[in-house]
Amino acid sequence: KNQVEQSPQSLIILEGKNCTLQCNYTVSPFSNLRWYKQDTGRGPVSLTIMTFSENTKSNGRYTATLDADTKQSSLHITASQLSDSASYICVVQARVLTGGGNKLTFGTGTQLKVEL
Amino acid sequence: NAGVTQTPKFRVLKTGQSMTLLCAQDMNHEYMYWYRQDPGMGLRLIHYSVGEGTTAKGEVPDGYNVSRLKKQNFLLGLESAAPSQTSVYFCASSLASGTYGSYNEQFFGPGTRLTVL
Repeated sequence: KNQVEQSPQSLIILEGKNCTLQCNYTVSPFSNLRWYKQDTGRGPVSLTIMTFSENTKSNGRYTATLDADTKQSSLHITASQLSDSASYICVVQARVLTGGGNKLTFGTGTQLKVEL
Repeated sequence: NAGVTQTPKFRVLKTGQSMTLLCAQDMNHEYMYWYRQDPGMGLRLIHYSVGEGTTAKGEVPDGYNVSRLKKQNFLLGLESAAPSQTSVYFCASSLASGTYGSYNEQFFGPGTRLTVL
């Protein structure tokens, strides 16, 4: 069964500090891995998308890494800001061989709170 | 561009009532999706559509119906609401699979919070 597990479940850090969120997956056949940011009461917004051949991808202060061999990904947030407080969701897409639609498996998210 | 919009934002129903959630997108996307998000669980796909006039079942389709009469709209219906359908519902849209550079990236609406009493 395709699964995506994220850790930690929640995290509190001080503004200006860095943090790293983890994602382990067992999705096959693998197509790509995405990180989404979901603010409270809002829909998820894409931060990065990485394919099998990509090890790292950055989006401003967000840097995602992917190790397709160990099926692990991390999202590193540098110099955190209060606005980074949100849920960060790891999503893995399986390769669709026929037909359409999607084969996305969502993690349950890491709830990050940035405090003064 | 408004992106993906959903109406209503909030709704309270009594068990057995029916309602329709509306999703609209102005990005000319082929694919559209309905998800539900429950506490402690990842988003789960209810139904999806790969084009106007087409629909398909997702992971948790029971108790829901959908229609895609126009490319820009995707409707989710609850014929007889149950307390187990209390959830936050998200609509999303994307370009078609195989579109160069798209990775089938999905753009989400703001959600509809539904409570069934």
